[in-house]
Amino acid sequence: EAGVAQSPRYKIIEKRQSVAFWCNPISGHATLYWYQQILGQGPKLLIQFQNNGVVDDSQLPKDRFSAERLKGVDSTLKIQPAKLEDSAVYLCASSPRTGTYNEQFFGPGTRLTVL
Amino acid sequence: AQTVTQSQPEMSVQEAETVTLSCTYDTSESDYYLFWYKQPPSRQMILVIRQEAYKQQNATENRFSVNFQKAAKSFSLKISDSQLGDAAMYFCAYRRPGTYKYIFGTGTRLKVLA
Repeated sequence: EAGVAQSPRYKIIEKRQSVAFWCNPISGHATLYWYQQILGQGPKLLIQFQNNGVVDDSQLPKDRFSAERLKGVDSTLKIQPAKLEDSAVYLCASSPRTGTYNEQFFGPGTRLTVL
Repeated sequence: AQTVTQSQPEMSVQEAETVTLSCTYDTSESDYYLFWYKQPPSRQMILVIRQEAYKQQNATENRFSVNFQKAAKSFSLKISDSQLGDAAMYFCAYRRPGTYKYIFGTGTRLKVLA
């Protein structure tokens, strides 16, 4: 089966600009996650969707970050305006509704550099 | 709140040797899931091995095995016959049943020396 797709793979912007990331999860996976991974750290959950509803967005900086998952499939994560500290890899992951472990499958990530 | 701690920022191992990566966690739950993920340089994160807390038998996947000590809240990863391709960041993760939220540790960078 096809894996989690993300685009773009790399993005360089200047502070105060806007940026958007796209994610296409594995077909049939109900749960979708966006993580922020700062260099040298573990992934930090930003937002979790179950189908097209938000389950957890407690760590999403809502003044500048937004995310949506239309029709319970693709998702976009937007940052507006970007700050220097937003430089990180943004990972998208998905997991199936069923199964014991509900393990997460990760995409390749988008590396964002804010200058 | 649950936490996951990886106390070894970096480890090195000679090719063909064995290395153990440490992970401890804090939870008041009796049932949960634990995972080890591998993140090679500039490549995506993949699952290495997983363990259910109520299973006493340690999980094994080829050269990868875990030492799960529930009372000590310890979940270490042993890599046998290390290969150059094992070089990566390794993340320990915890998930509580009934939720889909993972809590990740800060990672251990494994270097494999030829």
